[in-house]
Amino acid sequence: DAGITQSPRYKITETGRQVTLMCHQTWSHSYMFWYRQDLGHGLRLIYYSAAADITDKGEVPDGYVVSRSKTENFPLTLESATRSQTSVYFCASSELGQGVQETQYFGPGTRLLVL
Amino acid sequence: LAKTTQPISMDSYEGQEVNITCSHNNIATNDYITWYQQFPSQGPRFIIQGYKTKVTNEVASLFIPADRKSSTLSLPRVSLSDTAVYYCLVKIKAAGNKLTFGGGTRVLVKP
Repeated sequence: DAGITQSPRYKITETGRQVTLMCHQTWSHSYMFWYRQDLGHGLRLIYYSAAADITDKGEVPDGYVVSRSKTENFPLTLESATRSQTSVYFCASSELGQGVQETQYFGPGTRLLVL
Repeated sequence: LAKTTQPISMDSYEGQEVNITCSHNNIATNDYITWYQQFPSQGPRFIIQGYKTKVTNEVASLFIPADRKSSTLSLPRVSLSDTAVYYCLVKIKAAGNKLTFGGGTRVLVKP
């Protein structure tokens, strides 16, 4: 039972480069989420998706792009990385989401360092 | 500005009860309050969820007053392995009913 996985687990990149963080879940959950976690800010929602081809902005979407062509995958792209995007990124999924709050299952996280 | 507030940290000793309160003064009317636990280098893990009054499971209790402007997570008889950061998660009306985590409470259980 793989659950929810993220790749890479660690990434170092340079300012201005494009970076894509991958998220894959094996439960066929409808909802998927991307969060960033920074000291002093806790967990903040970047984007979420209610189903394939349906995405919506969270609290801090600027500088990020998402897509969801398949239910099981929800990649997050930093189109032109900045140092302020250095963070730990968590992907999560849930069977239900915005309509009825249900348990979210989190991946192990990706630590991103932008130099 | 409506927001979700938790104490930054709490210390306790093994065997004691730990109570963590999250203040959320403008949450979505028909939504649940959820608490998560996070260990270092791991993603958050679901602990408990409730809508009103009291909910209890095998690891914690959740107390929610009638006005739903706060919720209290209660961890009975903590052990060293309960040392973690605890987050509440609610939907804030002022944030367009988007899911919003509290800032987290770092609980340190001492021997």
